[in-house]
Order: sequence, then C-alpha cells, then structure tokens
Amino acid sequence: DQQVKQNSPSLSVQEGRISILNCDYTNSMFDYFLWYKKYPAEGPTFLISISSIKDKNEDGRFTVFLNKSAKHLSLHIVPSQPGDSAVYFCAAKRTGNQFYFGTGTSLTVIP
Amino acid sequence: GAGVSQSPRYKVAKRGQDVALRCDPISGHVSLFWYQQALGQGPEFLTYFQNEAQLDKSGLPSDRFFAERPEGSVSTLKIQRTQQEDSAVYLCASSQGRVTYEQYFGPGTRLTVT
Repeated sequence: DQQVKQNSPSLSVQEGRISILNCDYTNSMFDYFLWYKKYPAEGPTFLISISSIKDKNEDGRFTVFLNKSAKHLSLHIVPSQPGDSAVYFCAAKRTGNQFYFGTGTSLTVIP
Repeated sequence: GAGVSQSPRYKVAKRGQDVALRCDPISGHVSLFWYQQALGQGPEFLTYFQNEAQLDKSGLPSDRFFAERPEGSVSTLKIQRTQQEDSAVYLCASSQGRVTYEQYFGPGTRLTVT
C-alpha cells in the first residue's frame, strides 16, 4: 500500500519557468515531509522539508507547500535551471524514524 | 571522506549465493538506515539502527535479510540465498541525531541476482 504517491513520473519545463512537482499522501499521522533530489548513480540528497504545523517553507529558489486537508504537498522551483534536471522524491515521516518515499518524478529543464 | 560510503557499488550474485553489503556512515552519526530501491520505485525502508541497537526491522522482506551494526558505526546488510526478486539498489543513509529529519544517503549498491 503506497502511502506516499507521486502521480507524475516525468515533467519537462523550459529554463527560467516554474517547475511544480506534486505529492499526495494517505496517512494523516505523518508529521514531517521532505523532498530529495537524485542524480543518476548517486544517492538522494536532501533538498527541503516542512513540518506538519506549517503550510509553507521557502529556501532560495525552492518552496514547499503543504495542504493538510487535501493531504497534498508540492515543490515549486523558480526559476528552473538545467542543473535542476534530476529525479525528485517526496518523503513523509511519522513519529519514530520510519520514512515513506514516493516513486519519484523525473524533471527535465530544457535550456 | 565526509559522506556516506557504500561497498561494493555493484554486485552480481548467482541465485542462492549469500551477499554482504557494507555501509560506512558519516562519522559520529547516531542513526543509520537501510533502504531497498527497485527499478522505477522510491526507496523502501528496511531497517534502522540507533548506535548499535537495531530499533526497527519491520521492513526486512524475509528472514533471509539480516543487518548488523556491532560497534555503532559501520553496518552490514546480509542477504542469504539470494533470489531474483532481491535485485535492486540498496541504499544506506545516516543522520546525526536520535530523532531523524534530514538523512544523508550513500550512492547505493546495485545488486543483480542472475
């Protein structure tokens, strides 16, 4: 049973435009959410996170939005750059240290 | 090095062989995680250590999978009598504290069982 879902396997965006990556979850007990970025042949690297008590967290070009009522979060990248091309994983955590990951969205930023 | 390292990077095993995958976490990191990532999927939790104590092994798919971290630093994931469905990338991650938010991942070991 997939508790964290990323329904878009891929996304293409023009350089300079906004990239929006979406993630849905089913478990209302999740209290912390994270986005990871992964290049080929490397492990995921942490990008940005948000606590369930907030609805927005911003770090430079990256903003994560959380809509608890809809059990939905999104990652906005503005402006998108070719170096942002990677696979992005959404992850969620509940009390304890077990993390649940989505299946990933492959972002391609076209120069 | 400063990051999490894993060895070997690639492993080919014949069905029925035993394999051992090693993880060197960031020095001083208390928490260590193992994940299995099948092709086209996200990482799936296998097990978690806090220092040398294995606090959660609920994700291990069968009793053929065994993990240890005897001195609270290096960890080994062992798979006995490998089967084709064990083919995946095995990721190790570590984090500084007992309560984990940000994890630091290694590059993974790609296991192929033929």
